[in-house]
Amino acid sequence: GAVVSQHPSRVICKSGTSVKIECRSLDFQATTMFWYRQFPKQSLMLMATSNEGSKATYEQGVEKDKFLINHASLTLSTLTVTSAHPEDSSFYICSARVGVREQFFGPGTRLTVL
Amino acid sequence: DAKTTQPTSMDCAEGRAANLPCNHSTISGNEYVYWYRQIHSQGPQYIIHGLKNNETNEMASLIITEDRKSSTLILPHATLRDTAVYYCIVSLGGANNLFFGTGTRLTVIP
Repeated sequence: GAVVSQHPSRVICKSGTSVKIECRSLDFQATTMFWYRQFPKQSLMLMATSNEGSKATYEQGVEKDKFLINHASLTLSTLTVTSAHPEDSSFYICSARVGVREQFFGPGTRLTVL
Repeated sequence: DAKTTQPTSMDCAEGRAANLPCNHSTISGNEYVYWYRQIHSQGPQYIIHGLKNNETNEMASLIITEDRKSSTLILPHATLRDTAVYYCIVSLGGANNLFFGTGTRLTVIP
């Protein structure tokens, strides 16, 4: 299947700092990427849909000014958690649409805010 | 997207077939059934998807009932590495996002 990578895989930061997470499609071009987060022992929750060259569409309850998404190319989408706080600690996962019907997921980024 | 119902957990003996059921009684005619699994602390892994016909690939088989109100994912010879949470998702696919429920936690027992 198609390969989606994320970087970094794990990040620890101090409260108030900003963290950028990269999501790359390695062997295909993705016009649409999705960002999810997963709290411990919970399921994945969609945060936003990222379309190349346009603004992201955020799910209800997700602050667009706090979670900045940029999809500047067909192989890269970035999620920046601005002014991170301990409650933002979570597992962040991106996925990319492949063809018409399939989505492939990245390995995830574990964010810990101290 | 239609809602799905799955058992919370299941056990399966190593080497035996694992049959994971999913109910999706409100599925619409153009919605697909997708299966993903998530091994602890990893991103979800695509397994298989189907619309009406049964599907098979190198990982699993997907059996969809004729009325499409339920389906079963079959792992023919479960191994310890198949221990994971399995998600059944109904979606139009394509640019539509996937809504994850609670899934079934499958434990393969030696």
